[in-house]
Amino acid sequence: AQKITQTQPGMFVQEKEAVTLDCTYDTSDQSYGLFWYKQPSSGEMIFLIYQGSYDEQNATEGRYSLNFQKARKSANLVISASQLGDSAMYFCAMRSSGSARQLTFGSGTQLTVLP
Amino acid sequence: SQTIHQWPATLVQPVGSPLSLECTVEGTSNPNLYWYRQAAGRGLQLLFYSVGIGQISSEVPQNLSASRPQDRQFILSSKKLLLSDSGFYLCAWSKRNEKLFFGSGTQLSVL
Repeated sequence: AQKITQTQPGMFVQEKEAVTLDCTYDTSDQSYGLFWYKQPSSGEMIFLIYQGSYDEQNATEGRYSLNFQKARKSANLVISASQLGDSAMYFCAMRSSGSARQLTFGSGTQLTVLP
Repeated sequence: SQTIHQWPATLVQPVGSPLSLECTVEGTSNPNLYWYRQAAGRGLQLLFYSVGIGQISSEVPQNLSASRPQDRQFILSSKKLLLSDSGFYLCAWSKRNEKLFFGSGTQLSVL
């Protein structure tokens, strides 16, 4: 069975500073995918970034980067130059190797950016 | 471009009443479809997924059911709602090896 663990229920960061949101995972699959989603108070789920298990380079998307450490089974999200609009719930997720390729989500981290 | 529509946005239902939430996807064919539920302040729990018309897999035994009568339509139903069915329900779609795209969600309150 797959499991995603996010140990930080809440995080605070000062505007314009960088912040790291932790995510560890457990799987017996050799091929898997890791995702980060952002959920603002409106409830929509916004895709941020993806890392494949065979990708050698860490994924980056604008101010988002994924610190992928395969041996440690961690996939931390780094947000640089935080903005007030980054305040939201952030979920780490893993794609299964089953036929439906469904995502298993962590419990989330509530990020608050302080002015 | 692809879009996903989910309705209603909010729903208040009495215990024991039926439920029908609908989700449709446009701009793609043969998507994988998913229903997730999110309890307040919690992560997402996969309820059902479908890889094709009439093909439904349930992840969590409960009094909810799902159906896929058309390729791009996914319906979440219940004959009799329980208090514990309250939550935020999200429909999502994906192609085989790609990320999930989510609908805007339905906030269900069972009273």
